[in-house]
Amino acid sequence: QQQVKQSPQSLIVQKGGISIINCAYENTAFDYFPWYQQFPGKGPALLIAIRPDVSEKKEGRFTISFNKSAKQFSLHIMDSQPGDSATYFCAASRDTGRRALTFGSGTRLQVQP
Amino acid sequence: GAGVSQSPSNKVTEKGKDVELRCDPISGHTALYWYRQSLGQGLEFLIYFQGNSAPDKSGLPSDRFSAERTGGSVSTLTIQRTQQEDSAVYLCASSLQGGGTEAFFGQGTRLTVV
Repeated sequence: QQQVKQSPQSLIVQKGGISIINCAYENTAFDYFPWYQQFPGKGPALLIAIRPDVSEKKEGRFTISFNKSAKQFSLHIMDSQPGDSATYFCAASRDTGRRALTFGSGTRLQVQP
Repeated sequence: GAGVSQSPSNKVTEKGKDVELRCDPISGHTALYWYRQSLGQGLEFLIYFQGNSAPDKSGLPSDRFSAERTGGSVSTLTIQRTQQEDSAVYLCASSLQGGGTEAFFGQGTRLTVV
């Protein structure tokens, strides 16, 4: 019930392309779905987050698509740049009860110039 | 403070020794998390503190691991009788209220057990 499954494990995209990372969850009590970006040697940092009352959220080149009925959400990076090369983690949590963030296993993105 | 501070940044210890890892969260943040990240792997949840509530210890891998948070601020993660499989980066994060609020991570403590 606490798992968040993330795919793919790694992704190589050409500069200018679209990067897509997918996550699926089981616990219907989750109501907050953030994406974190981690560069080598650094702690993860919040990239963008969504709540289940909307199906899409866009911030610059980054978009979260959310499908509540399928219990899936995805991160789309438009016009991918070499500087986007990092590890991306999806996560989920609740606003009540057990509120700890549960993370996916991560996706290592490499954007080739 | 400017962000979440963890110390030490690196720790090398001999197998069987005890270690203490420290986390100074952002002032005013009521929620504090500890995660473990093995090389190239994901974030393994260890423990979560929320205000004065009993901590969520469901992720601690064994009774050799314990954590406390004093005065609702600084937290210490203690690993007793360290094993080689404990080698990893230990990340601390804090957030304003837990749940649906942004978690800010520290740089982590890289623990190597030799």
